[in-house]
Amino acid sequence: DAGVTQSPTHLIKTRGQQVTLRCSPKSGHDTVSWYQQALGQGPQFIFQYYEEEERQRGNFPDRFSGHQFPNYSSELNVNALLLGDSALYLCASSLLAGSTEAFFGQGTRLTVV
Amino acid sequence: DAKTTQPPSMDCAEGRAANLPCNHSTISGNEYVYWYRQIHSQGPQYIIHGLKNNETNEMASLIITEDRKSSTLILPHATLRDTAVYYCIVRGDRGSTLGRLYFGRGTQLTVWP
Repeated sequence: DAGVTQSPTHLIKTRGQQVTLRCSPKSGHDTVSWYQQALGQGPQFIFQYYEEEERQRGNFPDRFSGHQFPNYSSELNVNALLLGDSALYLCASSLLAGSTEAFFGQGTRLTVV
Repeated sequence: DAKTTQPPSMDCAEGRAANLPCNHSTISGNEYVYWYRQIHSQGPQYIIHGLKNNETNEMASLIITEDRKSSTLILPHATLRDTAVYYCIVRGDRGSTLGRLYFGRGTQLTVWP
């Protein structure tokens, strides 16, 4: 079992560009959540996908969007990048129901210059 | 919108027990308390979780007060590899927040030789 895998591991983009980050959940998991972690801060919830729909959303602008595919993998898209979008982006997979733990990937380090 | 309060840092001697406190005075209903740790910008790693009763697994013990307003994570014999940021998290239990993890800033635990 490969666990949660994210790609790429590191990325450098220019202000105004668009970026797509990818996540493959742990085998058997049906829910994918995305978190943004700025330097020195705890992860902040962006949104959650279940059954290919966005089920919950944190306090992030519409520039942040996502998608979940039938195989439960997910993408996070960020448009019109700002310097403040530089962060570690974490994907977590889980089963929506029950008190199960979420498994996190190693994250994608995005740097906006 | 973190729902937990933790001391920013703690030290512990190798081989001794590390006791990490957490306040979650606004925890409600069937919200669970989860503990994760994060080593040097890797993805957070699940440690343990509980609802009302004390819990123990191969990594740690979780003590939850009877009123559920606070808890303590205990690492019985800390090692240098336990040096990490430890997050006490409340997991949303309602339809609109089900599965969402509310991270605070965590406690930086440093284990010294």
